[in-house]
Amino acid sequence: QSALTQPASVSGSPGQSITISCTATSSDIGNYNLVSWYQQHPGKAPKLMIYEVSKRPSGVSNRFSGSKSGNTASLTISGLQAEDEADYYCCTYAGSSTLVFGGGTKLTVL
Amino acid sequence: QLQLQESGPGLVKPSETLSLTCTVSGSSISSSSYYWGWIRQPPGKGLEWIGSIYYSGSTYYSPSLKSRVTISVDTSKNQFSLKLSSVTAADTAVYYCARYVLTGDTAFDYWGQGTLVTVSS
Repeated sequence: QSALTQPASVSGSPGQSITISCTATSSDIGNYNLVSWYQQHPGKAPKLMIYEVSKRPSGVSNRFSGSKSGNTASLTISGLQAEDEADYYCCTYAGSSTLVFGGGTKLTVL
Repeated sequence: QLQLQESGPGLVKPSETLSLTCTVSGSSISSSSYYWGWIRQPPGKGLEWIGSIYYSGSTYYSPSLKSRVTISVDTSKNQFSLKLSSVTAADTAVYYCARYVLTGDTAFDYWGQGTLVTVSS
């Protein structure tokens, strides 16, 4: 099965923008517009932030945006705030009704 | 308001079978718009998709766990369940159940709070 690679950590100062990448080892991301992103604070369940590559659920700040180029999806957070500090996971449909998560990225707000 | 709640033993012995149930309230598990899934997270590590089930009983499993996983659904109780056989310490994790939207808004949109299962003698 395909693997999704994310950077282990990223950091930024309040007000800055950061981007987290999610690269597939096969063509899963490129073939499907079914990438989603989840935010997880310590001890909490994941929360959906982006679905279908670039769509935001109701209630999610427009500071969060998603995109895709080839086999790499990206999550961008603009105007960083302290409460954005969390772990972020990408997830994609991998064919044959299977799903795969990325390894996760720890975001630190300096 | 949709809620998912995991339940089951918090301690399982090595080589035995881990069994968890997810009770869904506020949404019918029989809807054709959703899969119902299990995801786990070992302490300090990332999320791992275990598998999903459709209300009809169709199941889809992670290739890495397929030989040990069984997911079933009980539409009369609005519940779905996970069984993981021959567990080892590596199966110690927080187990989450979640709803996966199939038709538009495709993603896991609602999650349970998670339940920690420890594999130890």
